Amino acid sequence: RKEVEQDPGPFNVPEGATVAFNCTYSNSASQSFFWYRQDCRKEPKLLMSVYSSGNEDGRFTAQLNRASQYISLLIRDSKLSDSATYLCVVGTGGGNKLTFGTGTQLKVEL
Amino acid sequence: SAVISQKPSRDICQRGTSLTIQCQVDSQVTMMFWYRQQPGQSLTLIATANQGSEATYESGFVIDKFPISRPNLTFSTLTVSNMSPEDSSIYLCSVEDLGSGYGYTFGSGTRLTVV
Repeated sequence: RKEVEQDPGPFNVPEGATVAFNCTYSNSASQSFFWYRQDCRKEPKLLMSVYSSGNEDGRFTAQLNRASQYISLLIRDSKLSDSATYLCVVGTGGGNKLTFGTGTQLKVEL
Repeated sequence: SAVISQKPSRDICQRGTSLTIQCQVDSQVTMMFWYRQQPGQSLTLIATANQGSEATYESGFVIDKFPISRPNLTFSTLTVSNMSPEDSSIYLCSVEDLGSGYGYTFGSGTRLTVV
């Protein structure tokens, strides 16, 4: 079983749609959780950290369920510019060892 | 957030040669991390580089193949030694960025092709 598993992609959605990505992790000792965005041929960039209380940043909402070892990302009112690969990332070993999911590709279309 | 300058951005190398990748950070950081992203894959941690001590390598990666230097708190190098086509990949450095919600910032990557 992979340490971090994500929804298989790609997700092709129309502009304005709401889309949800799921992620599960296997190491119960994991301490930090992130969603990163990676555009084609670019480095990953932090989208948001994920907290147990859940957090929201504009159109993006992230949730963490430690009991189920499950992380989610919700994107509302999707834009063409949201098209990218979204990486679920989990930190262990004091949070410094990051394990990346394989990513879910999102394509937002007109 | 931290700004990382990574170079070269890309290179095409002959098998059997070595390439050294450099990362310069605009602030002092305790740890720097080196990752590999193979074509169509996600990122895999190669090693953690601490200033003043030997790097800590992840399973499957060894110092002879990927020697790392960390001479000060703002700079690190990763060398890919005795390259083969299987080493063709994107290599990225990263630092913990306390100014960005405790996330990690990445360099722009080095796209390596071994022929």
